[in-house]
Amino acid sequence: KAGVTQTPRYLIKTRGQQVTLSCSPISGHRSVSWYQQTPGQGLQFLFEYFSETQRNKGNFPGRFSGRQFSNSRSEMNVSTLELGDSALYLCASSFGSQNVDTEAFFGQGTRLTVV
Amino acid sequence: QQPVQSPQAVILREGEDAVINCSSSKALYSVHWYRQKHGEAPVFLMILLKGGEQKGHEKISASFNEKKQQSSLYLTASQLSYSGTYFCGTAKTSYDKVIFGPGTSLSVIP
Repeated sequence: KAGVTQTPRYLIKTRGQQVTLSCSPISGHRSVSWYQQTPGQGLQFLFEYFSETQRNKGNFPGRFSGRQFSNSRSEMNVSTLELGDSALYLCASSFGSQNVDTEAFFGQGTRLTVV
Repeated sequence: QQPVQSPQAVILREGEDAVINCSSSKALYSVHWYRQKHGEAPVFLMILLKGGEQKGHEKISASFNEKKQQSSLYLTASQLSYSGTYFCGTAKTSYDKVIFGPGTSLSVIP
């Protein structure tokens, strides 16, 4: 059974540009959550999607957006990149609609560097 | 609101025990524990639910005090493979998002 796949693994962008990250969940999983990880900040919640609907949203500016497709694959978009957006972006998939009482499987992440 | 974890970092010798604590200022529905090794994705360890249900790996034990909004992860007879950063995540309701703490760095040395 394939795990959670995130592409690309590494990305270097210039300040002001936009970027799209992709996450393919485990087959059969319908919930995808996105997290931003930076040293000392742990895992900051961005948003959660289930069956193409955003169920929860974290405290990030509107420059961060996402969507989920009918095959459960999810994309995250960051517009007008800032230096502070440099981070590891992780997505996690789970089977249930409620992420809170099921095991989540994390992908390897996309390392975004903004220069 | 992000849960608080303590200690921030701990160094153990093989065979020693450790306890990692997680606390929240809000009433909790569930507590989640994950371990992340350097350069790898976080891996699920355990979920503790309000009411006493637990789901997780056999060799990991944890407690959840609902009244105090606290959880503790117990690592006994530590092995080198236990090294990593341990994150606790909390959710206020069954449909809420999981918010993770800043992590506890655990290093096990020979």
